[in-house]
Amino acid sequence: ETGVTQSPTHLIKTRGQQVTLRCSSQSGHNTVSWYQQALGQGPQFIFQYYREEENGRGNFPPRFSGLQFPNYSSELNVNALELDDSALYLCASSPTRAGTEAFFGQGTRLTVV
Amino acid sequence: GNSVTQMEGPVTLSEEAFLTINCTYTATGYPSLFWYVQYPGEGLQLLLKATKADDKGSNKGFEATYRKETTSFHLEKGSVQVSDSAVYFCALRGARAGNNRKLIWGLGTSLAVNP
Repeated sequence: ETGVTQSPTHLIKTRGQQVTLRCSSQSGHNTVSWYQQALGQGPQFIFQYYREEENGRGNFPPRFSGLQFPNYSSELNVNALELDDSALYLCASSPTRAGTEAFFGQGTRLTVV
Repeated sequence: GNSVTQMEGPVTLSEEAFLTINCTYTATGYPSLFWYVQYPGEGLQLLLKATKADDKGSNKGFEATYRKETTSFHLEKGSVQVSDSAVYFCALRGARAGNNRKLIWGLGTSLAVNP
């Protein structure tokens, strides 16, 4: 077990709604990254936070936004949900911004109907 | 930009067979290389890693060697078990700061081991 916890584990939302996913990073880790994994695909990088600042972003539209809190936990917010947003959302924490290892949570399975 | 190309699956083997899953990469400089495993219904777990050329990562009987000359990081196991059935992902983290530090993933290779 990595010590990275995500909530909720499963979620069903309607198209157009908004969703917030949460992640508690492993103790001592100050960097959190979010990934989207569509069914049968590899994870795609959404963004990374380091000490409460966004530190890199992938090719996702602005309706994907995030926060990192002083305790280094993090939220992923998605507005105006689309059917294609249905995926497993993975949070990973690292001990440093340049850390080579990322420890993943179990993920949140989001289904948009 | 950086990229990872991974052998397509699914791969089906009998128990105790030899496993190879090919992974090649494109990157500037000296990236770090990883193999992650995803068991059914679970998140990603780091299987092994290598951070410089000629390093060999190993864990649970799996091995992979960072080959700079062939830009490869092939995963091998001498004798697979039914419990190894999972999806295996090769990943790369760039050597330079900023966005380059994100993990770049292969598409994953599904492995099914039959008793």
